[in-house]
Amino acid sequence: GAVVSQHPSRVICKSGTSVKIECRSLDFQATTMFWYRQFPKKSLMLMATSNEGSKATYEQGVEKDKFLINHASLTLSTLTVTSAHPEDSSFYICSAPRGQMSTEAFFGQGTRLTVV
Amino acid sequence: GQNIDQPTEMTATEGAIVQINCTYQTSGFNGLFWYQQHAGEAPTFLSYNVLDGLEEKGRFSSFLSRSKGYSYLLLKELQMKDSASYLCAVGVYNQGGKLIFGQGTELSVKP
Repeated sequence: GAVVSQHPSRVICKSGTSVKIECRSLDFQATTMFWYRQFPKKSLMLMATSNEGSKATYEQGVEKDKFLINHASLTLSTLTVTSAHPEDSSFYICSAPRGQMSTEAFFGQGTRLTVV
Repeated sequence: GQNIDQPTEMTATEGAIVQINCTYQTSGFNGLFWYQQHAGEAPTFLSYNVLDGLEEKGRFSSFLSRSKGYSYLLLKELQMKDSASYLCAVGVYNQGGKLIFGQGTELSVKP
């Protein structure tokens, strides 16, 4: 079964509103989680590294005020898309490694965001 | 910096063998991953290579040459359900679980 759960799987929101996406590790603690964005027919683009108890590390070109990341517990990271616009419509997916030395990351199911 | 390159599209025939290549240039290497992704779904782990050589797992095999910055995924006895996007990803050294993905190869399997 899934070891990383992402919610919601689909969301439609109006322009200007904010949307929160949750990523949970189900049977392990994750001090680090990763957020990716995927455009249609494109690959996964790493947006940021979510660090439990500290600030997220954003990749170059990703607006940290636009994509707020909170990693308040060892099993939950949230991505909030603030003041969403149609160009923010995309597939967002999180991942978490099981154990600090783990090389493999387990992916959530992904969230399809549509901004209208 | 990181640069990962793989073909955008490939087409193959049911029952055949197909090889998807991936070349990479990275500043810190912590293994190479292959994932399968169907449209609208999360990637599914296929293989992980950290040492040179061939890893075989059923119909799928993956090869790595670290000196050449090269990997391939070999799919045998192709089935229609193998039509998907195949993603090559490099693990980042000292950042467990962090992956940098190539652009993905869209494989179409035809009867």
